[in-house]
Amino acid sequence: AQTVTQSQPEMSVQEAETVTLSCTYDTSESNYYLFWYKQPPSRQMILVIRQEAYKQQNATENRFSVNFQKAAKSFSLKISDSQLGDTAMYFCAFIKGGAQKLVFGQGTRLTINP
Amino acid sequence: NAGVTQTPKFQVLKTGQSMTLQCAQDMNHNSMYWYRQDPGMGLRLIYYSASEGTTDKGEVPNGYNVSRLNKREFSLRLESAAPSQTSVYFCASSEALRSWFFGPGTRLTVL
Repeated sequence: AQTVTQSQPEMSVQEAETVTLSCTYDTSESNYYLFWYKQPPSRQMILVIRQEAYKQQNATENRFSVNFQKAAKSFSLKISDSQLGDTAMYFCAFIKGGAQKLVFGQGTRLTINP
Repeated sequence: NAGVTQTPKFQVLKTGQSMTLQCAQDMNHNSMYWYRQDPGMGLRLIYYSASEGTTDKGEVPNGYNVSRLNKREFSLRLESAAPSQTSVYFCASSEALRSWFFGPGTRLTVL
């Protein structure tokens, strides 16, 4: 079974700093997708970024970028120039190609301090 | 275009009571899902429906039943609620399994 591990339960940084959230996953599949979701206090799940395993280039979305290390099965999220609105729970998630089940990590609670 | 909607947003039950959580999506997606979120455990899949007329168990199905009423609607039923089912419940829908859309969640407390 696929597993997703986020080893940092909580992180805290100052506004404008750069922060990196860690995620590792375990799979024997070669075709899969990885996601980072943001969950602010409103509870809404918001897609931050998506990475297809077959793509070597790391995905980026404005201030958000990933470091996808396929051989190491690592998928970290970097937030540059962090803002107060980035304060949220962040979940890493995995799905293998053709499957139905999106598997989530335990989450990292990120706090951006003014 | 409302996306994924869930009702109710909050609910308090007594042990043994039953209730149904409703979910609807207006994106014409084939796949729909029910997850529960507990502190420190992320989101865990309860049941899913890959298409209208089909349902399958996820990681934590015990104590729950589901109905895929039509392509738009997917309900989750607790027949006899237990305190262990206190959680936040999310419905989600997906097309092509690369884009997922989540509802706003239902906070359920079982006393």
